[in-house]
Amino acid sequence: GIQVEQSPPDLILQEGANSTLRCNFSDSVNNLQWFHQNPWGQLINLFYIPSGTKQNGRLSATTVATERYSLLYISSSQTTDSGVYFCAVEPEYGNKLVFGAGTILRVKS
Amino acid sequence: GAGVSQSPSNKVTEKGKDVELRCDPISGHTALYWYRQRLGQGLEFLIYFQGNSAPDKSGLPSDRFSAERTGESVSTLTIQRTQQEDSAVYLCASSFWRVGDYEQYFGPGTRLTVT
Repeated sequence: GIQVEQSPPDLILQEGANSTLRCNFSDSVNNLQWFHQNPWGQLINLFYIPSGTKQNGRLSATTVATERYSLLYISSSQTTDSGVYFCAVEPEYGNKLVFGAGTILRVKS
Repeated sequence: GAGVSQSPSNKVTEKGKDVELRCDPISGHTALYWYRQRLGQGLEFLIYFQGNSAPDKSGLPSDRFSAERTGESVSTLTIQRTQQEDSAVYLCASSFWRVGDYEQYFGPGTRLTVT
């Protein structure tokens, strides 16, 4: 099946710093989503981005489908950005999301 | 509008008992998914429903797990004869699942603890 790799696995930032999270996947996809899982376990949709570039406030994402990777940019990080960031993909001939192992982000004040 | 809702939010049960978890998808979403998240891990797919098609049960870990969905509404996930390794958060998601719009939206989950 499709493989999803996220890097880095852990990241500690000082408040105000910028960061880039990466997601590599091994096959063509219908769907790619970035989620933030908050400390209470809720999965919050950040981006639905099977291709192209999107921005939402301090966050932006780019997916290069032909090269099978996606990047999530966090600018001017805040302590509330802490949590786990998941990349998940739905294969072109599949019907379920396959999740990466996540990046644990901790933003220190 | 209303998001995906799940109940109960927490469930503690004794080993060997049966449990039933409920999911209410977003109105109009034809696709419904169940996932499981063990402590400190990513999500793993369990089962998928799409309209009136036969469900994709390929992720169910054993025959103790089953799920039903009534039309395009509520779904229940049943775990029979629970084991300690079933302890996890069970998450439900729904989507339109149509060309150009496969985005899944997740509920808050049910935390299951088997003692």
